Amino acid sequence: EPEVTQTPSHQVTQMGQEVILRCVPISNHLYFYWYRQILGQKVEFLVSFYNNEISEKSEIFDDQFSVERPDGSNFTLKIRSTKLEDSAMYFCASSEAQPRAESGANVLTFGAGSRLTVL
Amino acid sequence: QKEVEQNSGPLSVPEGAIASLNCTYSDRGSQSFFWYRQYSGKSPELIMFIYSNGDKEDGRFTAQLNKASQYVSLLIRDSQPSDSATYLCAVKGNTGFQKLVFGTGTRLLVSP
Repeated sequence: EPEVTQTPSHQVTQMGQEVILRCVPISNHLYFYWYRQILGQKVEFLVSFYNNEISEKSEIFDDQFSVERPDGSNFTLKIRSTKLEDSAMYFCASSEAQPRAESGANVLTFGAGSRLTVL
Repeated sequence: QKEVEQNSGPLSVPEGAIASLNCTYSDRGSQSFFWYRQYSGKSPELIMFIYSNGDKEDGRFTAQLNKASQYVSLLIRDSQPSDSATYLCAVKGNTGFQKLVFGTGTRLLVSP
C-alpha cells in the first residue's frame, strides 16, 4: 500500500539551529500538508501546498517556517531558528484530490512523523 | 473560532461491547468529517469519512452525522483490546483549501 515517508524519525537540535524535515508524498498525490502535534495536545494544521505554492497556512506558520518541493518527489519543512516550543511531532500528509471532493480521494494520508526535540 | 470538541476520556468498555465516541463542531459550513485512530507515538490512521447526514457502516465501525445538530459520532461494535487508542475527529470546511481541524481526541480503553 502506498505510504507517505518522512525523515528523520527523530531529530534533536539546539535552540536557534535550522532544521529541515523531509517527506516523500504518495506519488500520484497532488496536495501536500504539514501538521504538528505537541505532546499531549491536538494535531494542528501548519500549511498546505499545491501546484508549487502555499495554498493555505495557519497562524503558527510564521516567517520562521518555510516549505519547498525541491524536486518531483520531496516535500520539505524548514524551521530557520528553532525555539523550545517547536518541540513536537511533525506529520506530513498528502491527498489525491482537491479538498472539496466528496470522495475517498479527499482523504489525507499521514506519514509516520518526525519527532523534533529542541534543547 | 472554528472548533471541534471531543470528550478526552478515557472511555472504558469491556471487550465485545459497543464503544460510542462523540464529536461536535462549530463551523456550520463544514462538509467533510473524518475519524482517525492514533496509537500512542504514532501517526493518525484513517478509519472512516462521512459527508452526508445519516449512518455509514464499514465493518465494525459506523459513523453517524447530523449536520443540523453539528454532531458526528463513531460506533465501534464488538470492541477489541486492539481498538484501545485515541480516536480523533477531524472536520473540513467547504471553501477553498480548507484545513483539516482536529479535536483533541477521545482515549478508548477496551479491557479483556
